[in-house]
Amino acid sequence: GAVVSQHPSWVICKSGTSVKIECRSLDFQATTMFWYRQFPKQSLMLMATSNEGSKATYEQGVEKDKFLINHASLTLSTLTVTSAHPEDSSFYICSALRSIGGAGTGELFFGEGSRLTVL
Amino acid sequence: AQSVAQPEDQVNVAEGNPLTVKCTYSVSGNPYLFWYVQYPNRGLQFLLKYITGDNLVKGSYGFEAEFNKSQTSFHLKKPSALVSDSALYFCAVRDISGTASKLTFGTGTRLQVTL
Repeated sequence: GAVVSQHPSWVICKSGTSVKIECRSLDFQATTMFWYRQFPKQSLMLMATSNEGSKATYEQGVEKDKFLINHASLTLSTLTVTSAHPEDSSFYICSALRSIGGAGTGELFFGEGSRLTVL
Repeated sequence: AQSVAQPEDQVNVAEGNPLTVKCTYSVSGNPYLFWYVQYPNRGLQFLLKYITGDNLVKGSYGFEAEFNKSQTSFHLKKPSALVSDSALYFCAVRDISGTASKLTFGTGTRLQVTL
């Protein structure tokens, strides 16, 4: 099946620094990718929809300036956590949509996740 | 707005016994339903989906799910559980309005299979 790669898998950073997480679709092009955040023992919360060549669409309550999303190519979306604080520590998961037809169709493939720990 | 409910935080079952992980949904249109499994510190792995057709959907690793429109349920089942099935299971519903194809996840159910 299709592969979505996330990097890094683990990252530890100091408070106040910025961290970039990459999400790559390795064997298909994805005009749409999604970023999720998962707290311990909780479900995945959609943060934003990343659209290739245009601005991301953020879910209500997600700070756009805090979580910068860039989708500059059909195979890469990045999430940058700016000025990270301990409360940003979480498991971040991306998914990429491989379209197989019209709008709204296609398969979603998930990355392995990136665990961010902010000290 | 669409939503998914997983009423059980944890399900315990002995290896070899059948298992059921419950899921109910609420959507305004036709439901597109999914089950995913997550192992510790890993991403989500697709198990199965219901789009249309037969109410009984067969998926990966011997899992299946039954779509019940009248009860708005999509319970995950397996005839004989394995210890290796122990993981976190998520039910999800997909909104295909517009071009978003967003998934809304349930809160997850932890399956513990013991010897």
